Amino acid sequence: DSGVTQTPKHLITATGQRVTLRCSPRSGDLSVYWYQQSLDQGLQFLIQYYNGEERAKGNILERFSAQQFPDLHSELNLSSLELGDSALYFCASSVGAGQGTHEQFFGPGTRLTVL
Amino acid sequence: AQTVTQSQPEMSVQEAETVTLSCTYDTSESDYYLFWYKQPPSRQMILVIRQEAYKQQNATENRFSVNFQKAAKSFSLKISDSQLGDAAMYFCAYSQAGTALIFGKGTTLSVSS
Repeated sequence: DSGVTQTPKHLITATGQRVTLRCSPRSGDLSVYWYQQSLDQGLQFLIQYYNGEERAKGNILERFSAQQFPDLHSELNLSSLELGDSALYFCASSVGAGQGTHEQFFGPGTRLTVL
Repeated sequence: AQTVTQSQPEMSVQEAETVTLSCTYDTSESDYYLFWYKQPPSRQMILVIRQEAYKQQNATENRFSVNFQKAAKSFSLKISDSQLGDAAMYFCAYSQAGTALIFGKGTTLSVSS
């Protein structure tokens, strides 16, 4: 158990819909990262938050957005869903930006299926 | 931009044998971190081993060790005394301090008895 929790574990929805994925980082970790794992694109970085502020953006679509709350949990919002958004979405956390051992600890992921 | 390349989509090994997974990366930075993650059928991402670029000594964690060649930008993973539970997808990853991981495409390792 990495200490990172993600809900829900599985999500099945229809095209055009909007969903919210939730992540709680390890206790004491200030950085949260979101990654997408799909068959054709592999593991891709989406976005990073550090202590409530957006830190870096990767290959995140404009239909996707995220935020990190004062209690440090984070949510990834996916809207106007398309079939190609079906993937495994991981949240990872680390101590901070530029601190600690730089390890990222991954949650179990949310499997999103868009029908 | 930094890139990570894993040239072996699939590898196989017999129980108790040794296998080496290859990884090369490209960066112009001198200070960075390299990782190997294991993803078993459960899909959980598990950190296997990490290497700081400024350390010349190769990292070792029990049966797992790396061969870090900084000049060649190579970071291979050696698994000794392979076990059935080692069967998984293995990802090589690169990052700088406090930044996102850049992953290779992965190597699927199968272990036979």
